[in-house]
Amino acid sequence: SQQGEEDPQALSIQEGENATMNCSYKTSINNLQWYRQNSGRGLVHLILIRSNEREKHSGRLRVTLDTSKKSSSLLITASRAADTASYFCAFTGNQFYFGTGTSLTVIP
Amino acid sequence: DAGITQSPRYKITETGRQVTLMCHQTWSHSYMFWYRQDLGHGLRLIYYSAAADITDKGEVPDGYVVSRSKTENFPLTLESATRSQTSVYFCASSESGHNSGNTIYFGEGSWLTVV
Repeated sequence: SQQGEEDPQALSIQEGENATMNCSYKTSINNLQWYRQNSGRGLVHLILIRSNEREKHSGRLRVTLDTSKKSSSLLITASRAADTASYFCAFTGNQFYFGTGTSLTVIP
Repeated sequence: DAGITQSPRYKITETGRQVTLMCHQTWSHSYMFWYRQDLGHGLRLIYYSAAADITDKGEVPDGYVVSRSKTENFPLTLESATRSQTSVYFCASSESGHNSGNTIYFGEGSWLTVV
């Protein structure tokens, strides 16, 4: 069963623009994390937000969490070509689940 | 700092053969995980282990076997490979379990093709 989905599946923007990707999930969670995956590589942790938090910032990243809607968003501000990657939300229910991912392309 | 390493990185095997993917971590993390990544499905948990000699099924365990005789190693075996097991396999580790909020650290992946 698919516990989480991300939207959009693919996103293409110009360098300097902001990128927003959304994650929806079905289960109750304790926390939600975002990971990044460069092509052909493993996933790398970006940021964690706990279920009692609504917003969190880390550098150019801003994450929001709405537990009533079972959704989270990741905003990358002032995007760079090096931000080109796939981004996954991950959340804990009775196990650790990943969303389907958003493929971000930042055009120089 | 070696982190978490997987081998082989790339493997082609025939249907029906047994294949073992190796995973080694140098952090002494208690938890280790195996995921498979397929287009349209994201990452799906195959098996995980909370400690040496303790393993548990994930979302898609059928056709796979794991063992964890040592904390640092967590091999994944496909006992009789099928084409549907063609995928990218990621090993991962974490200091504690999925509810802890700890970061999961991933290996670089093993690309397996079953022909």
